[in-house]
Amino acid sequence: SQQGEEDPQALSIQEGENATMNCSYKTSINNLQWYRQNSGRGLVHLILIRSNEREKHSGRLRVTLDTSKKSSSLLITASRAADTASYFCATDAKGGSEKLVFGKGTKLTVNP
Amino acid sequence: DTAVSQTPKYLVTQMGNDKSIKCEQNLGHDTMYWYKQDSKKFLKIMFSYNNKELIINETVPNRFSPKSPDKAHLNLHINSLELGDSAVYFCASSHGTVNTIYFGEGSWLTVV
Repeated sequence: SQQGEEDPQALSIQEGENATMNCSYKTSINNLQWYRQNSGRGLVHLILIRSNEREKHSGRLRVTLDTSKKSSSLLITASRAADTASYFCATDAKGGSEKLVFGKGTKLTVNP
Repeated sequence: DTAVSQTPKYLVTQMGNDKSIKCEQNLGHDTMYWYKQDSKKFLKIMFSYNNKELIINETVPNRFSPKSPDKAHLNLHINSLELGDSAVYFCASSHGTVNTIYFGEGSWLTVV
């Protein structure tokens, strides 16, 4: 079944640096979403990008989508220790059953 | 103010027991879900209900039975618990399907 794959699995950076996480998927999509999960908590929606969009911004977040390469990236600029969390992409397959399929996540650690 | 609330948060039980997890959302959403997150953080959809009707039923053992008494509630009953059922179970809701999903804080189930 369609599934996003995040890359890298884990990322450790210093506060103030930028963090880039990538997501690849297998089939055509209607939209792609990014979620964040703090340790021991539920997932929180960050941003949704539709298949006809190439880039979207929200605060320090920048998401790009390349449908020809079936990939997306999430950039967090000027990272903070509070950004430490796991980040998941989720895809909605075009013509598929109406469900979001989540990737395995990237665990981001921002060191103070 | 809790949007999606689920109880209990922690549940430790013996193999063979039957247990239930309750979920309620106050967002006025028409779609509710149960997701399972394993020890490797992989998040997989189990069930989805839209207006109290089951619309997604993934390959889940029939020991798992969801029940939606109304649009705001989706409970999960698990019979004859097995060691492999140990995981975090997330309830979630959305307006329509494949839109932004709002997650509960999770229920940590440990089967011993």
